Amino acid sequence: EDQVTQSPEALRLQEGESSSLNCSYTVSGLRGLFWYRQDPGKGPEFLFTLYSAGEEKEKERLKATLTKKESFLHITAPKPEDSATYLCAVQGGGGGTSYGKLTFGQGTILTVHP
Amino acid sequence: KAGVTQTPRYLIKTRGQQVTLSCSPISGHRSVSWYQQTPGQGLQFLFEYFSETQRNKGNFPGRFSGRQFSNSRSEMNVSTLELGDSALYLCASRISGGRQETQYFGPGTRLLVL
Repeated sequence: EDQVTQSPEALRLQEGESSSLNCSYTVSGLRGLFWYRQDPGKGPEFLFTLYSAGEEKEKERLKATLTKKESFLHITAPKPEDSATYLCAVQGGGGGTSYGKLTFGQGTILTVHP
Repeated sequence: KAGVTQTPRYLIKTRGQQVTLSCSPISGHRSVSWYQQTPGQGLQFLFEYFSETQRNKGNFPGRFSGRQFSNSRSEMNVSTLELGDSALYLCASRISGGRQETQYFGPGTRLLVL
């Protein structure tokens, strides 16, 4: 069964203090690893999709990287508006049991203080 | 393009009642997945529909069911509601095909069971 573990559970940063969030996964044939941002009371907002080890994606202050066992979401010089829960999910390649199914981690709650 | 829409946004029901939630996917997206999000369990996969057929199902009791219409709109139904069914119900759509695995989420329906 696919599993995703995110760390840390919560992270408090000062504005401008760069850091990284970790997502460790086990999956049978990775079809994709996804990062989402979720604000309280809202649906997850898509950030990145990574397909294979070595791949990197970047968007504004965020950069996602992927290895065979984990993914990192690097946040450079964060601002208070980056405060949110960041979710990591995988889709395995296990045939019919993987159709449309994302397995999520518990998320990292990021708080950026001004 | 308009995003994924869900109705209603909020719902209050009592134990034993049933409820139907609706999801309209992004135009052109043929796959719709449903998830339940609770503080304790996080985001859990309910089921996935493609071309009006359920292709995958998570580990939820038979009280949870769904369907998809020819225009790709989807509904999920929960019968004989229990207190533990209180959650944010999210639907997500994707194109489905090739490497287009990314799922885009709607705002969710917040269900409270009293």
